[in-house]
Amino acid sequence: QVQLVESGGGVVQSGRSLRLSCAASGFTFSSYAMHWVRQAPGKGLEWVALVSYDESDTYYADSVKGRFTISRDTSKNTLFLQMNSLRPEDTAIYYCARAGGRGPYYYFEYWGQGTLVTVSS
Amino acid sequence: QSVLTQPPSASGAPGQRVTISCSGSISNIGSNVVNWYHQLPGAAPKLLIYSSNQRPSGVPDRFSGSKSGTSASLAISGLQSEDEADYYCASWDDSLTGWVFGGGTKLTVL
Repeated sequence: QVQLVESGGGVVQSGRSLRLSCAASGFTFSSYAMHWVRQAPGKGLEWVALVSYDESDTYYADSVKGRFTISRDTSKNTLFLQMNSLRPEDTAIYYCARAGGRGPYYYFEYWGQGTLVTVSS
Repeated sequence: QSVLTQPPSASGAPGQRVTISCSGSISNIGSNVVNWYHQLPGAAPKLLIYSSNQRPSGVPDRFSGSKSGTSASLAISGLQSEDEADYYCASWDDSLTGWVFGGGTKLTVL
C-alpha cells in the first residue's frame, strides 16, 4: 500500500533553514508528481510546492517562492523541501502528498501524516 | 483570504442531506476540475472527490460532487456522525500557476 512518511520538522529560529524529507513506498515513485501542502495551527490547507514525475517542472506558491525548493531523489524514493529564510508565518504541519498522475494537474491522491515545523521569532 | 470561497460551517441531522459550496473564478474552477478533501480532527486530509464528480474506490456513494461555471458543490446524503470533519475544495489556478484551496467548511452532525 502507498506510504508517505515525512520527517525533518522541528523548532527553528526565524531566518534559519530546515530540510524536510518524505520517504515514499508502495508505488513507483518515478511515475508520479509530488506535492507539499501545509496547514498552520487551527487554519486551513495551503498548497506549497509541486515537482513533476521527472523533476522537469516545479511550481511554488507565491508565499514561498524564492525561499523554498522542492526536489526528489528517485534512487532513494524520497521527496525533499528545502526551506530557507524561514518566517514565523511558515509555522505549520507540512504534508507530503502524491499526485494522481505525472503532471501538475492531478489531484492529491495520498497524503502522509505530516511533520510539524515551528518557526520562533 | 482563500482564493476559493467556502462557507465556514455547515450542519445537518443524521440521515439528512447537506451541501457545501465552493466558489471560484474563471482562472480556477471555471477552467479546471475541482477536487474535494475531508479531514477528521487530528488526522491528515483524504481525497473524497476528484475530477469534480468522481469518487475514489472506498468512498461511499453518499458523497457526490458537481461543478457549474465557476462554482462547485459537494453533497452528502444520509448524514452520519462519522461525517463530522473539515471539508476542503481545491482547483488548479491558471493565473497563479498553482493549486488553490478553499478555506474549509466544518461540518457538524447535530
